[in-house]
Amino acid sequence: QLQLQQSGPGLVKPSETLSLTCTVSGGSISSSNYYWGWIRQPPGKGLEWIGSIYYSGSTYYNPSLKSRVSISVDTSKNQFSLKLSSVTAADTALYYCARQWYTSSWFPGLNWFDPWGQGTLVTVSS
Amino acid sequence: DIQMTQSPSSLSASVGDRVTITCRASQDISSYLAWYQQKPGKNPKVLIYAASTLQSGVPSRFSGSGSGTDFTLTISSLQPEDVATYYCQNYNNAPWTFGQGTKVEIK
Repeated sequence: QLQLQQSGPGLVKPSETLSLTCTVSGGSISSSNYYWGWIRQPPGKGLEWIGSIYYSGSTYYNPSLKSRVSISVDTSKNQFSLKLSSVTAADTALYYCARQWYTSSWFPGLNWFDPWGQGTLVTVSS
Repeated sequence: DIQMTQSPSSLSASVGDRVTITCRASQDISSYLAWYQQKPGKNPKVLIYAASTLQSGVPSRFSGSGSGTDFTLTISSLQPEDVATYYCQNYNNAPWTFGQGTKVEIK
């Protein structure tokens, strides 16, 4: 059964860069059937998609965050990572990684998210 | 961006009740819609995709319908373990957007 394990600091200072990694086990990140995504949830609020990456390195980013976001993939380690720069208190949230189903028969072909990682609460504070 | 609007934002119902949650998209998204369940303190889990296809392992009391701009999630007989917040998600086009959530409680 596929599992996603998140790692990274839970506290980041304002103006610094948030970095999280998601390690995939029980399956290959290099499968052609999936993208791999990051979603966040501010405390007590709803879900916001951040970005998604294919094993080849192809990416989609939320335009609202695009100038500050970078998602990368390391197929040798079965991992993908999120970097969010110049963080402020507004970036305080529970961050999730997730597998995003992909269908090449239509464009862009990215679908629903399943499964999700356990979540990492990242607090931006000095 | 496609805006997803859910209603109601919260509801309270009795065990055994039929519960319906609606999700409206700001433009036509065909059937590119998923529903998620997020229990307190847990990560979201997909219940339904393609508007009406039940994810494997999800109880049959959950069902989805709709296409275009209007969608519904129905719980045919509410159970105590269904206490959760439910979200719809558009995947017709980027950016993939979620509804604001509907919190379901037991009366």
